[in-house]
Amino acid sequence: DAGITQSPRHKVTETGTPVTLRCHQTENHRYMYWYRQDPGHGLRLIHYSYGVKDTDKGEVSDGYSVSRSKTEDFLLTLESATSSQTSVYFCAISASGVGADIQYFGAGTRLSVL
Amino acid sequence: DAKTTQPNSMESNEEEPVHLPCNHSTISGTDYIHWYRQLPSQGPEYVIHGLTSNVNNRMASLAIAEDRKSSTLILHRATLRDAAVYYCILREILWGNFNKFYFGSGTKLNVKP
Repeated sequence: DAGITQSPRHKVTETGTPVTLRCHQTENHRYMYWYRQDPGHGLRLIHYSYGVKDTDKGEVSDGYSVSRSKTEDFLLTLESATSSQTSVYFCAISASGVGADIQYFGAGTRLSVL
Repeated sequence: DAKTTQPNSMESNEEEPVHLPCNHSTISGTDYIHWYRQLPSQGPEYVIHGLTSNVNNRMASLAIAEDRKSSTLILHRATLRDAAVYYCILREILWGNFNKFYFGSGTKLNVKP
């Protein structure tokens, strides 16, 4: 494993409640990403970060926000969860120097919004 | 629209070679072709990547068409542990070393003993 920890691994919540997923890395990599995985869609990019406090939107960012106050932590927040956000969420990291061409993924968080 | 197109599923016999195809007809000249695989209940893991030339590593080989509009991942001798979803991905270099990865929907490989 590439030193990536996602928490929680599983979560069940109700529609309208806020949810925060955490990604923690021990590799000191500069770039971090949040993806969601749904049947028939592969992985789709939600948000990404290119440094502390530097983030940007991916292709499916509506309803999500992120924060990165430290190099090692990247948080994904669903301000008001909806059933359409039921999915498996993956965090990924990549380096900025040697090895920048490979992303390493965490084990995922399975989120169910009822 | 997806940038890569793969068959939904394929089947192979153990210890036989497997050729997993991918079409990426809209690839740009600077996009790299990556392959990742995902075992059940795990995150995707890197397999191989290339730009123009064929590539080999300990896990697999990557054959890239001359026009770069298609590629094939080759597993030389499939084992039961190779049963996974294989993703063909285009990697776009945006700036510096920052990359965006565009995943297709993947091919589920079933390996029969």
